Amino acid sequence: GAVVSQHPSRVICKSGTSVKIECRSLDFQATTMFWYRQFPKQSLMLMATSNEGSKATYEQGVEKDKFLINHASLTLSTLTVTSAHPEDSSFYICSARYGQETQYFGPGTRLLVL
Amino acid sequence: RKEVEQDPGPFNVPEGATVAFNCTYSNSASQSFFWYRQDCRKEPKLLMSVYSSGNEDGRFTAQLNRASQYISLLIRDSKLSDSATYLCVVKGSWGKLQFGAGTQVVVTP
Repeated sequence: GAVVSQHPSRVICKSGTSVKIECRSLDFQATTMFWYRQFPKQSLMLMATSNEGSKATYEQGVEKDKFLINHASLTLSTLTVTSAHPEDSSFYICSARYGQETQYFGPGTRLLVL
Repeated sequence: RKEVEQDPGPFNVPEGATVAFNCTYSNSASQSFFWYRQDCRKEPKLLMSVYSSGNEDGRFTAQLNRASQYISLLIRDSKLSDSATYLCVVKGSWGKLQFGAGTQVVVTP
């Protein structure tokens, strides 16, 4: 199956710093990428949907100025958590899709904000 | 009300036994349905799609009941490696996937 990578897999940072997470589709062109967040024992919650070359669409309750998404190419999307706080600690997962085909998930990034 | 609801479990299942669990969804216009498997601290992986007529993939059988708005997953001859959290996923409007919180299955020797 298709492969989606995320980097870094794990990050620990101090409160107030910004963290960038990269999501790459390795063997296909992703017209759409999705960013999810999952807290322990909870479901994946969609944060935003990004289409290559256009602004991301954020879900209700997700601050676009705090979670900056850039989908600069058909194989790369980045999520930047700006001025991270302990409550932003979570498991961030991206997924990528070509057209209306199956979504493929990245391995996730664990963020811990101290 | 959550869009996709699941019994969190855990379902403790002896190796070789059968386990089944359901998921309910609230949007009657939902188009597609899936079961994903998520291992601890890992990303979800597609287990199987769920078709209207029901479908089977090896030891796994999925059923869809549109009238009652639920889908089910049955695992036969459980293996230790089946221990995981099973996520019910519904594809709604605009192609967005709605995830349940998952049902934990623990297969014991």
